[in-house]
Amino acid sequence: GDSVTQTEGPVTVSESESLIINCTYSATSIAYPNLFWYVRYPGEGLQLLLKVITAGQKGSSRGFEATYNKETTSFHLQKASVQESDSAVYYCALGDLASSFSKLVFGQGTSLSVVP
Amino acid sequence: NSKVIQTPRYLVKGQGQKAKMRCIPEKGHPVVFWYQQNKNNEFKFLINFQNQEVLQQIDMTEKRFSAECPSNSPCSLEIQSSEAGDSALYLCASSRRDGNTLYFGEGSRLIVV
Repeated sequence: GDSVTQTEGPVTVSESESLIINCTYSATSIAYPNLFWYVRYPGEGLQLLLKVITAGQKGSSRGFEATYNKETTSFHLQKASVQESDSAVYYCALGDLASSFSKLVFGQGTSLSVVP
Repeated sequence: NSKVIQTPRYLVKGQGQKAKMRCIPEKGHPVVFWYQQNKNNEFKFLINFQNQEVLQQIDMTEKRFSAECPSNSPCSLEIQSSEAGDSALYLCASSRRDGNTLYFGEGSRLIVV
């Protein structure tokens, strides 16, 4: 079936250090996968961080970047220099571009703590 | 801040009791999804609607779970007879007709005691 696997947390990073959260997917029933990163900050709802609909393209938001790599079936999230305000739970998700009503398949989430 | 409004934020029910959660989708979004997120952070898709019509649903929702999105009223998800295993965060999301990006509410956390 379709699935998403991401870096197992919790992850602790010092402020101003770089970050990578790995995400790999398996899209056995999805002809045209598209990929998302969602984030849940403490006390808030799940919100879209970035998305990419075309293989080979990169998405970016709030200093985060992720490149959709069809060959390695990956969509790793990276940031060059994290801040304390980036502490949150990050979710990688897989959708079906061919369906306007496609349900998303989520990874298990990666809890990130950025310490001073 | 979420534009998808979910109520209540928390509800505590005894086993066998009904539990009802409501969702107002973002304005202009005709497609509504319900997900269950368990204590292990795993998401389970339950059901989705376009306007008032069910698009997809899993088998579980055909038994104890029911959902509707009536015209001019909030969408709702109801568990007829709550079980301990239903304790979870229930997330509502909405999307535009021509898009597949989901916008989530803050969720309703159900605790079944």
